[in-house]
Amino acid sequence: DGGITQSPKYLFRKEGQNVTLSCEQNLNHDAMYWYRQDPGQGLRLIYYSQIVNDFQKGDIAEGYSVSREKKESFPLTVTSAQKNPTAFYLCASSKTGASGETQYFGPGTRLLVL
Amino acid sequence: SQKIEQNSEALNIQEGKTATLTCNYTNYSPAYLQWYRQDPGRGPVFLLLIRENEKEKRKERLKVTFDTTLKQSLFHITASQPADSATYLCALSIDSGGYQKVTFGTGTKLQVIP
Repeated sequence: DGGITQSPKYLFRKEGQNVTLSCEQNLNHDAMYWYRQDPGQGLRLIYYSQIVNDFQKGDIAEGYSVSREKKESFPLTVTSAQKNPTAFYLCASSKTGASGETQYFGPGTRLLVL
Repeated sequence: SQKIEQNSEALNIQEGKTATLTCNYTNYSPAYLQWYRQDPGRGPVFLLLIRENEKEKRKERLKVTFDTTLKQSLFHITASQPADSATYLCALSIDSGGYQKVTFGTGTKLQVIP
């Protein structure tokens, strides 16, 4: 089965702790994205990557970091600098990142602060 | 920046009727407009894409219109079924320096009543 997997489904973060959300795809897509979804708000772009070893900040990158060492993987780290991390995090991919391409989403990770 | 408004947070309709969801945007017209379906606790799933030079697009019971003069898209589900109950997201796509910049609306939660 081709698709995007995210883990874990739920993640709990303590004060001052960094946590990493996993995103893996086997669609052979070049472009990958991280979004954050809060109640009553649309999806907001955190980071995106169009090619291995390259990524760009989205609209709300502060307090987050990413890496793209492999085509299939695009992990997101929520750092202690992110003061309001509680949200639903969605990873997506598209074939090349060109305008008009369908984005394929993973099942999401819900991050909660203890 | 681009702003998107989806007509209402929630829409209830009777089974068998046509559901019509509205997406209005400000500023410049997008090259593409996409509609996604999102079920609770899941990632969005792509439904339809319409280009700026297209007036209407259909797929089975789904129909999307795109009016660049009114800056509006309408999403119709005919012969609605309880299984159509979900949140529907409108997304605008423009080319931004070679990559796809997608802005999502907050969504309309559709409830089809048997």
